[in-house]
Amino acid sequence: KAGVTQTPRYLIKTRGQQVTLSCSPISGHRSVSWYQQTPGQGLQFLFEYFSETQRNKGNFPGRFSGRQFSNSRSEMNVSTLELGDSALYLCASSQGFWAKNIQYFGAGTRLSVL
Amino acid sequence: AQKITQTQPGMFVQEKEAVTLDCTYDTSDQSYGLFWYKQPSSGEMIFLIYQGSYDEQNATEGRYSLNFQKARKSANLVISASQLGDSAMYFCAIPGGGADGLTFGKGTHLIIQP
Repeated sequence: KAGVTQTPRYLIKTRGQQVTLSCSPISGHRSVSWYQQTPGQGLQFLFEYFSETQRNKGNFPGRFSGRQFSNSRSEMNVSTLELGDSALYLCASSQGFWAKNIQYFGAGTRLSVL
Repeated sequence: AQKITQTQPGMFVQEKEAVTLDCTYDTSDQSYGLFWYKQPSSGEMIFLIYQGSYDEQNATEGRYSLNFQKARKSANLVISASQLGDSAMYFCAIPGGGADGLTFGKGTHLIIQP
């Protein structure tokens, strides 16, 4: 069974640009969550989608958005990039509601903002 | 709000020795789960083991086991017979209160020495 797939693995952008990251969950998993990992702040929850609906959102500005498609694939978008958005972005999928299901992570997308 | 404390920023352990990674947590939930993840330098978060708060026995998965002490709000990970490939960051995590995804600790950087 294929794991969580995130594309691209690496991205370099400049300030002010926007970026879209993609996540394909494990087959059969309907919940997708996104996390940001930085050396200073550690791992922080961005948002979670279940059946195409955003269920939860972390404490991030509106520049961070996401969506989920009918096949459970998810994208997250960051507009007007700032230097502080440089981070490893991790996607995780689970079978259902995260509180009762194990989240399986992808390898991440490493974003560098210059 | 949920909180995870990992008090060991880094550990050096000789190969084949057992190692215990500490994790204490704070939650107001009566029913919750605790997760441990491993993150090698490649970045992918690898699920290791899960403990439910009402599970009667401590969780075990191969060389990984949990020393779960609910009254102390402690969930230490024990790795038996450590291997060089165990060198990585290790994170303890708990579902956020209400709807905030997983809350992670700062992690422990484990280095296995030959």
